[in-house]
Amino acid sequence: EDQVTQSPEALRLQEGESSSLNCSYTVSGLRGLFWYRQDPGKGPEFLFTLYSAGEEKEKERLKATLTKKESFLHITAPKPEDSATYLCAVQLNDYKLSFGAGTTVTVRA
Amino acid sequence: KAGVTQTPRYLIKTRGQQVTLSCSPISGHRSVSWYQQTPGQGLQFLFEYFSETQRNKGNFPGRFSGRQFSNSRSEMNVSTLELGDSALYLCASSSRLDRETQYFGPGTRLLVL
Repeated sequence: EDQVTQSPEALRLQEGESSSLNCSYTVSGLRGLFWYRQDPGKGPEFLFTLYSAGEEKEKERLKATLTKKESFLHITAPKPEDSATYLCAVQLNDYKLSFGAGTTVTVRA
Repeated sequence: KAGVTQTPRYLIKTRGQQVTLSCSPISGHRSVSWYQQTPGQGLQFLFEYFSETQRNKGNFPGRFSGRQFSNSRSEMNVSTLELGDSALYLCASSSRLDRETQYFGPGTRLLVL
């Protein structure tokens, strides 16, 4: 059965304290892996798409990497505005997105 | 370019009623997907439409249905509402058949009493 697991469930960081979020997956027929950011009461906001192992993408303080079995989202020197739930999703052969449960990040000033 | 819009944003219904939610995709996008988000189950795929045809369907009962119009706007309908249908319903649109990035709307918050 296809599965997407994110860890940790929650992460509390001090401003400037870098950390990583993990997304591991066991799926057949992966077309792509997506990272989204979701603020409370809002829809997910697209961050990155990764297609093949070894690929990396960066945007401001965020960097996403992909291996054959997992992806990492690195947050470098986070600020309070980086507080959000980060969702990982895999796109399967039938184009559906299968989401992980998310990691809720809280950054304290 | 305007983003994905969803109406209404909030809705309160009672058990047994039915509800229709609307989604307007980003201009030029022909694929629309619907998701249900709850604290317990997270984001779950409902169905996807492309050029007025349902391409995929998730594991939801037949009470959940949808359609897409020729202008790519989409509606989803839930009949005989149950308390467990309370959720944030999200619509996402994308532009290409393969390796498409899905852009989400703000969602419709449905509360069933």
